[in-house]
Amino acid sequence: KQEVTQIPAALSVPEGENLVLNCSFTDSAIYNLQWFRQDPGKGLTSLLLIQSSQREQTSGRLNASLDKSSGRSTLYIAASQPGDSATYLCAVENTRGKLQFGAGTQVVVTP
Amino acid sequence: NAGVMQNPRHLVRRRGQEARLRCSPMKGHSHVYWYRQLPEEGLKFMVYLQKENIIDESGMPKERFSAEFPKEGPSILRIQQVVRGDSAAYFCASSPVRAQNTEAFFGQGTRLTVV
Repeated sequence: KQEVTQIPAALSVPEGENLVLNCSFTDSAIYNLQWFRQDPGKGLTSLLLIQSSQREQTSGRLNASLDKSSGRSTLYIAASQPGDSATYLCAVENTRGKLQFGAGTQVVVTP
Repeated sequence: NAGVMQNPRHLVRRRGQEARLRCSPMKGHSHVYWYRQLPEEGLKFMVYLQKENIIDESGMPKERFSAEFPKEGPSILRIQQVVRGDSAAYFCASSPVRAQNTEAFFGQGTRLTVV
């Protein structure tokens, strides 16, 4: 049974620092891994999708790596800004159409 | 191209009533997924539907919950005889196909409160 864990559960950093968010999963037979952002009371915004054959994806200040063999993904956010404050969720798909989510990392970036 | 549209955004029901949650996928998307986020818990998969077909309902509670995605119109998640424990945020996502590089796009969610 797939289990997805995100560490830390919460993180507070001053503006300008880099953010490092971790996600681990127990079953490496995945199709892909997605990182999402969720703002309070809002829906999910997709940030990056990494296919199982890829090792990383980049979009602007965001970079996500995937090490399938060790069951880990890391999301890096460079030069954090107060607007980056949100909950970040990782999700793996190892059954078609079914995303399994971690509990999320709540990020606060202080000005 | 509008995103995934869910309505209502907020729904209040008394115990024993029925709740109907609607989801209109993005234009051109024929795959719909429903997830539930209970207070202080992560998102949990409920059901995966294609037009007129249920593909995977392994996350649906055995009783009171049903979902459909008709040929025409939105997908509907129906909860009969709601109880306090059904209070949660229900999210719908859609995708055009299921392929390895296909992202799922989520709606804003419907927040159900059972009083």
